[in-house]
Amino acid sequence: EVQLLESGGGLVQPGGSLRLSCAASGFTFSSFAMSWVRQAPGKGLEWVSAISGSGTRTYYRDSAKGRFTISRDNSRNTVYLQMNSLRADDTAVYYCAKERRSEGDIDYWGQGALVTVSS
Amino acid sequence: EVVLTQSPGTLSLSPGERATLFCRASQSVSGSKLAWYQQKSGQAPRLLIFGASSRATGIPDRVSGSGSGTDFTLTISRLEPEDFAVYYCQQYSSTPLTFGGGTKVEI
Repeated sequence: EVQLLESGGGLVQPGGSLRLSCAASGFTFSSFAMSWVRQAPGKGLEWVSAISGSGTRTYYRDSAKGRFTISRDNSRNTVYLQMNSLRADDTAVYYCAKERRSEGDIDYWGQGALVTVSS
Repeated sequence: EVVLTQSPGTLSLSPGERATLFCRASQSVSGSKLAWYQQKSGQAPRLLIFGASSRATGIPDRVSGSGSGTDFTLTISRLEPEDFAVYYCQQYSSTPLTFGGGTKVEI
């Protein structure tokens, strides 16, 4: 059974940093690209970043470039999202997601980690 | 960036009725790389359709997807109580990956 378990969410002040982790199990982790997708309170889904199975290719939405860094440790079956210079509009539930065939569509989602950016 | 516009914003229907949801892209979605997701309140999304028309594992055949280019449709032929939720389309033909704004299917 595929499981994705996020951790690291919480309350942070504007300009602060936070690192999200996502521990994966139930599939061959290194064979699949992983994404982070967020959802602001009461809003729709917004893709944030993705990383290839090997970790050599990374992708970001424009608002995340230069502030967020996605990485993975295939020996630990874990993907990370380092978020710096956080802003109020980064407040959202962040979902860790497994891509179905590393093409961008998502077949498994974590339960989500709430990140609140507020003073 | 490919902008996806979903319509209608809200669909008010009864169990047993047919639901038709639309997703229009600002430019052609190459390879029909268009997915549909269902999200219930307080839950993570669930993949329903990928490749515009292929059902994901465990999705019943009353759920179907169609379309190509810029116009896509999700149809639920006979609504069951568990189908009342928000539905999102997503294109994955180019980055940034983008989602539509969602259609709420309510009783």
